[in-house]
Amino acid sequence: DGGITQSPKYLFRKEGQNVTLSCEQNLNHDAMYWYRQDPGQGLRLIYYSQIVNDFQKGDIAEGYSVSREKKESFPLTVTSAQKNPTAFYLCASSMTRGAKTIQYFGAGTRLSVL
Amino acid sequence: GQQLNQSPQSMFIQEGEDVSMNCTSSSIFNTWLWYKQDPGEGPVLLIALYKAGELTSNGRLTAQFGITRKDSFLNISASIPSDVGIYFCAGPNTGGFKTIFGAGTRLFVKA
Repeated sequence: DGGITQSPKYLFRKEGQNVTLSCEQNLNHDAMYWYRQDPGQGLRLIYYSQIVNDFQKGDIAEGYSVSREKKESFPLTVTSAQKNPTAFYLCASSMTRGAKTIQYFGAGTRLSVL
Repeated sequence: GQQLNQSPQSMFIQEGEDVSMNCTSSSIFNTWLWYKQDPGEGPVLLIALYKAGELTSNGRLTAQFGITRKDSFLNISASIPSDVGIYFCAGPNTGGFKTIFGAGTRLFVKA
């Protein structure tokens, strides 16, 4: 089935540890995105990538890093510099056809600090 | 920058009631999107609107693209318990590579 796969569903981080969240898509979409969602809140953009080997900071990039070596994959690393990493992380991808751009989301990864 | 304001922030309704929520902006949008997020899951696209004045239905859901291009409405008829979740409005920013999301309307349905 075509879609966006995020793994793991649940992740725990120890103090001072870097953790990487996986996002894979087989929709052949050019653009990919990472969002953070805190309880009762909306979506905040962390990073986005329009094409392979290129990415831009979103609104809350500090303490996070990404890579885009393949079109299908856009992993997010939550570094030890992110002091409040507990949140729900959502990956999305999109394709633009003319004036139409729609983002599709994965099922999310819930990150907690031990 | 571009912002989307959703109201109400939350709604508590009885099963069978109709629901109406809206999204407004001080900027013009050329596309309006409505998503639903179930608890613990990612948002799922419900309806996409591309023309001012457009009215589109998806089952019990109906959404409209405001004629000023600065607002959109989502109506749910005869609500059921599985309608519970967060409803987000969204639209592509100027330039189109990012999507602006509203803060969401949280819907609670009492059986």
